[in-house]
Amino acid sequence: GDSVTQMEGPVTLSEEAFLTINCTYTATGYPSLFWYVQYPGEGLQLLLKATKADDKGSNKGFEATYRKETTSFHLEKGSVQVSDSAVYFCALSDPNTGANSKLTFGKGITLSVRP
Amino acid sequence: GAVVSQHPSWVICKSGTSVKIECRSLDFQATTMFWYRQFPKQSLMLMATSNEGSKATYEQGVEKDKFLINHASLTLSTLTVTSAHPEDSSFYICSALDRSTYEQYFGPGTRLTVT
Repeated sequence: GDSVTQMEGPVTLSEEAFLTINCTYTATGYPSLFWYVQYPGEGLQLLLKATKADDKGSNKGFEATYRKETTSFHLEKGSVQVSDSAVYFCALSDPNTGANSKLTFGKGITLSVRP
Repeated sequence: GAVVSQHPSWVICKSGTSVKIECRSLDFQATTMFWYRQFPKQSLMLMATSNEGSKATYEQGVEKDKFLINHASLTLSTLTVTSAHPEDSSFYICSALDRSTYEQYFGPGTRLTVT
């Protein structure tokens, strides 16, 4: 079945540091890929997405590129802020589920940014 | 953006009792809602897909008689944990699918503790 693997956490960085969070996936067909963020006390929010190979999703300074050849969707940000402290989930949706858009999530990784 | 609420945000109940959790889409209609369960430091696991006006579709290994799902309107789905036991203690998260964008919007989650 489909699966998503994220790097182990937690990750602690100083403000303005460069961020990379690795994500790889296993899926049949051509899934859509997502990064969700969960701030303390809040629900998951869509951060960015990519629906086909070589697409780059971007939002709030974060970027991720859909790499079919390496089955990866790594999340990057050039300069993190304290407000970026949250839990980040990589996910994919199986196109075979059609309009129901079932999501498969990675374990999530906690990012803490120090001032 | 679209908002999904859950009620209650946390609940403590005694073993053997039943608990109902509500999931509401506040500013859009959701014909499809999803219920997830999240263990500490684990991924979100899809439990079931809730479709308005029809029976829920449960994932493999999820007991439909224990986790009752009712999607009675376009803005409300409920999850009832029947005869709860300590092993049912977990974080339960719902999401609602916006048909116009096929994007899932997540609730903030409900922490269930069974004593």
